[in-house]
Amino acid sequence: DAGVTQSPTHLIKTRGQQVTLRCSPKSGHDTVSWYQQALGQGPQFIFQYYEEEERQRGNFPDRFSGHQYPNYSSELNVNALLLGDSALYLCASSLYGGGPLHFGNGTRLTVT
Amino acid sequence: DAKTTQPPSMDCAEGRAANLPCNHSTISGNEYVYWYRQIHSQGPQYIIHGLKNNETNEMASLIITEDRKSSTLILPHATLRDTAVYYCIALGWGSARQLTFGSGTQLTVLP
Repeated sequence: DAGVTQSPTHLIKTRGQQVTLRCSPKSGHDTVSWYQQALGQGPQFIFQYYEEEERQRGNFPDRFSGHQYPNYSSELNVNALLLGDSALYLCASSLYGGGPLHFGNGTRLTVT
Repeated sequence: DAKTTQPPSMDCAEGRAANLPCNHSTISGNEYVYWYRQIHSQGPQYIIHGLKNNETNEMASLIITEDRKSSTLILPHATLRDTAVYYCIALGWGSARQLTFGSGTQLTVLP
């Protein structure tokens, strides 16, 4: 039973560029959430997708956007990258009706 | 979701039980207590969750007080691989699946 998979594992970008991160949910899950974890801090909620729509959003600017595909996989897009966007980006999947969230091992984004 | 309070750090000898406390005095009746852990440079790993009854799985046991204002995660025989940051999170059931991570407890298992 495959868990949550994320790609790429590491990424280096320059300020002002755009980045796309990808996530495949755990088998049987229909909901994907994205979190940002800065160094030394706990993960912060970005947004949640279900049925290809953004259902909830945390306190993140519009530069952060996402998409969910009919197979439940998801992408996180960040435009106009800032140095402060350097972080570990985590994807979590779950069932929309409830139950635990399961996380991938994240994508480490470094903005130079 | 209710705020949780955990000690910032704890040590435990290898092979002994690790008991990690969590205070959630403002938890509401429909909120579950979830425990996750995060080993350095990995994503958070789900451990266990419960509502009001004690729960046990292959990883740990969860003891919730009768008034539900606090809980304890028990790792029965800690190993060096259990060294991690442990997060206790109160979360309602249903579609609102936004986890709010606090500072957690850094558990260090000593040889």
